[in-house]
Amino acid sequence: DIQMTQSPSSLSASIGDRVIITCRASQSIGSYLSWYQQKPGKAPNLLINSTSTLQSGVPSRFSGSGSGTDFTLTISSLQPEDFATYYCQQSYALARTFGRGTKVEVK
Amino acid sequence: EVQLLQSGGGLVQPGGSLRLSCAASGFTFNTYAMSWVRQAPGKGLEWVSAITNDGAGAYYAVSLKGQFTISRDNSKNTLFLQMNGLRAEDSAVYYCAKFQTPALTARGAFDYWGQGILVTVSS
Repeated sequence: DIQMTQSPSSLSASIGDRVIITCRASQSIGSYLSWYQQKPGKAPNLLINSTSTLQSGVPSRFSGSGSGTDFTLTISSLQPEDFATYYCQQSYALARTFGRGTKVEVK
Repeated sequence: EVQLLQSGGGLVQPGGSLRLSCAASGFTFNTYAMSWVRQAPGKGLEWVSAITNDGAGAYYAVSLKGQFTISRDNSKNTLFLQMNGLRAEDSAVYYCAKFQTPALTARGAFDYWGQGILVTVSS
């Protein structure tokens, strides 16, 4: 299976901060990388697919970039509703592996 | 509106079996591949299984070693996960999820998720 390594595992940030989360694949996955947001007790919510395609309704402060093995999720100006856990996922292989998650907490 | 309504979870003894269901509505169910993802308490997301839109192809995480069986009934718009030989480490919230693109091989993400259902394996 393709291994997805996310970093950091957690971070503390303040409202208005720029937040960057990275995800590295154990082999090239082209642009087949998605990002999900999950809040406690809720199902994950798809934010971005194909590295940089924002889902309908997702604020433009979220953006994604990268290709091959290295990807980033950027939140340009952190808002109160953005405190959550974020997961990357590759959709290159049938076994849709996830990163271990990055918890974004209040500083 | 797309909805995925899950049922069938609960407490089961080690070695027991359980069948999860996921009733879909709001989209043409027989057009889309579907998947199961689980999340152990306090842990991250783990992909479990996927099935093609027609049910002809089923795929599993290597770690499951034939323990689970995914299936679907397109006449009832329902996805299933049959879990046998359950162990404590199978305790998790299980989610069903819809692929964003119809074909499994189209490399889509999961655009809709069920509400999640808790499976607890304990004596």
